Amino acid sequence: AQSVTQLGSHVSVSEGALVLLRCNYSSSVPPYLFWYVQYPNQGLQLLLKYTSAATLVKGINGFEAEFKKSETSFHLTKPSAHMSDAAEYFCAVSLNSGGYQKVTFGTGTKLQVIP
Amino acid sequence: NAGVTQTPKFQVLKTGQSMTLQCAQDMNHNSMYWYRQDPGMGLRLIYYSASEGTTDKGEVPNGYNVSRLNKREFSLRLESAAPSQTSVYFCASSEYLLEQYFGPGTRLTVT
Repeated sequence: AQSVTQLGSHVSVSEGALVLLRCNYSSSVPPYLFWYVQYPNQGLQLLLKYTSAATLVKGINGFEAEFKKSETSFHLTKPSAHMSDAAEYFCAVSLNSGGYQKVTFGTGTKLQVIP
Repeated sequence: NAGVTQTPKFQVLKTGQSMTLQCAQDMNHNSMYWYRQDPGMGLRLIYYSASEGTTDKGEVPNGYNVSRLNKREFSLRLESAAPSQTSVYFCASSEYLLEQYFGPGTRLTVT
């Protein structure tokens, strides 16, 4: 069965500091991987996705993530945090399971940016 | 394009009442989903529809029913609401295996 683990339910960084949000997955078949962002009282929006092309994926708002098969990881990074990055971030895995799509979300990481 | 729309945005029910949450998408996606979001638990899949005319149970289907009315619309029904169903409900759509597009959510309180 597939699963997604996000390490740290809350992460705090200073404005201008590196953002690193961790995501590890388990899957018996090659997955597609996604990062979504959720601002307060809104739905989720796609930040970036990995669909078996380049392992380093760039997304919106300066975020990027690297797919590392050997580590089963898909960590999200941004070189310099901005106040507007404060939000909740979700990692998700999507794969073909017996002809059906299975999508699993992590439990989310709330990012706080300190001025 | 409106993307994914959900109605209503807010709802308060008494225990035992019923209601239907409506969802529509204008992106011609085959797959549609209903999730609930509770603090600290991420998103949990209630029901999933891979195409018009098909529905499958997700992780937490008890107490809910769904209807895939056509390719655009996917409704979620609570037949007899319970306080444990107090949550934020999100509808989403996608093409097979690809990224999901989410609606703005419905905040439901059951007293």
